[in-house]
Amino acid sequence: EAGVAQSPRYKIIEKRQSVAFWCNPISGHATLYWYQQILGQGPKLLIQFQNNGVVDDSQLPKDRFSAERLKGVDSTLKIQPAKLEDSAVYLCASSLAGVGEQFFGPGTRLTVL
Amino acid sequence: QQQVKQSPQSLIVQKGGISIINCAYENTAFDYFPWYQQFPGKGPALLIAIRPDVSEKKEGRFTISFNKSAKQFSLHIMDSQPGDSATYFCAASMGGGADGLTFGKGTHLIIQP
Repeated sequence: EAGVAQSPRYKIIEKRQSVAFWCNPISGHATLYWYQQILGQGPKLLIQFQNNGVVDDSQLPKDRFSAERLKGVDSTLKIQPAKLEDSAVYLCASSLAGVGEQFFGPGTRLTVL
Repeated sequence: QQQVKQSPQSLIVQKGGISIINCAYENTAFDYFPWYQQFPGKGPALLIAIRPDVSEKKEGRFTISFNKSAKQFSLHIMDSQPGDSATYFCAASMGGGADGLTFGKGTHLIIQP
């Protein structure tokens, strides 16, 4: 079974630029999550989708971050404009609805200069 | 507000010894408590998880102990091996649809040969 795929794996941008990350969840997983992991800390939930609807985006900085999940499969997370403090690893995870276990992708490491 | 507190921040254990990591939570609505293992450059991977209706769960060398009244849970790694050297995160989530994980800050575990 293929795991959660993410791209790109690494991205370096200047502050105030825009960036987008892509995630393809495990086939059949209705629930998709985006987490932000700052160096030395645990992941922090940004947004949760159930199919293509948003379940929880209470910790998403909506003035600069946006996310979508078209057709209930792939998802993109966008930052516009980026700030220095956005430097982190962005992790995508997926799960079967209501099961509990979340499967994480390898993450995208973002560096904002 | 940190809802899941994890300790210690780092831990060095001799090969064959027992590694113990502790977590405490505040939100009594949490009903799922997983432990994740993360290697450098990889996403977190589920190690073992417990729900509050049991006080202990064992899978191989890994055991979760859960104390609902104290709102604490811990991970015990028996016969620790150098391959167990990684960062470990405790986490918690609520039931229902919004089941995004709240993570602790992590424990960097080193098993010395």
